[in-house]
Amino acid sequence: AQSVTQLGSHVSVSEGALVLLRCNYSSSVPPYLFWYVQYPNQGLQLLLKYTSAATLVKGINGFEAEFKKSETSFHLTKPSAHMSDAAEYFCAVRTYSSASKIIFGSGTRLSIRP
Amino acid sequence: GAVVSQHPSRVICKSGTSVKIECRSLDFQATTMFWYRQFPKQSLMLMATSNEGSKATYEQGVEKDKFLINHASLTLSTLTVTSAHPEDSSFYICSAREVPSTDTQYFGPGTRLTVL
Repeated sequence: AQSVTQLGSHVSVSEGALVLLRCNYSSSVPPYLFWYVQYPNQGLQLLLKYTSAATLVKGINGFEAEFKKSETSFHLTKPSAHMSDAAEYFCAVRTYSSASKIIFGSGTRLSIRP
Repeated sequence: GAVVSQHPSRVICKSGTSVKIECRSLDFQATTMFWYRQFPKQSLMLMATSNEGSKATYEQGVEKDKFLINHASLTLSTLTVTSAHPEDSSFYICSAREVPSTDTQYFGPGTRLTVL
């Protein structure tokens, strides 16, 4: 079964600093992986997705993630944090059942210090 | 991109009553929709998979008689919380997968249910 584990429930960085949110996956087959962002009391917005094409995936708002099979990782990064990046971030994996369900990690809350 | 709407966005009800939440795909058809619930400061937990014209598939531990799901058309799925209790208070989010199938699910904005 596919699953994802997010390391760190809360990450705090200074404005302008590098953002690194960690996600490791477990899958016996090449996974489809996603990063979503959720602002308070709102739904989810897709940041980026990996579908076995390029291992470095660029998303919206300056975020990118690199798929590393050797490390079973799909960490999310952004070179320079902005105050508006403060939100909850979820890593997710799509299952290979016929329903193609998306299973979410536990989430990481990103705080930005002025 | 594709848009999924939910109605209502927020609902407050008394304990023992039933509440219906609608999920609509506005500009695409969705044979499959998904319902999630999210408790405060927690992740999204998949409750059930809703298939147009057939019975929903519930995740382990989800009471199908309490959370009734109907997917009557390619653009509408409904979740009815029957005999709601305070512990059912949560944020309910739906998502829809476009036909023909793509790798992207589009998520609705969520419905905040508060049971008094």
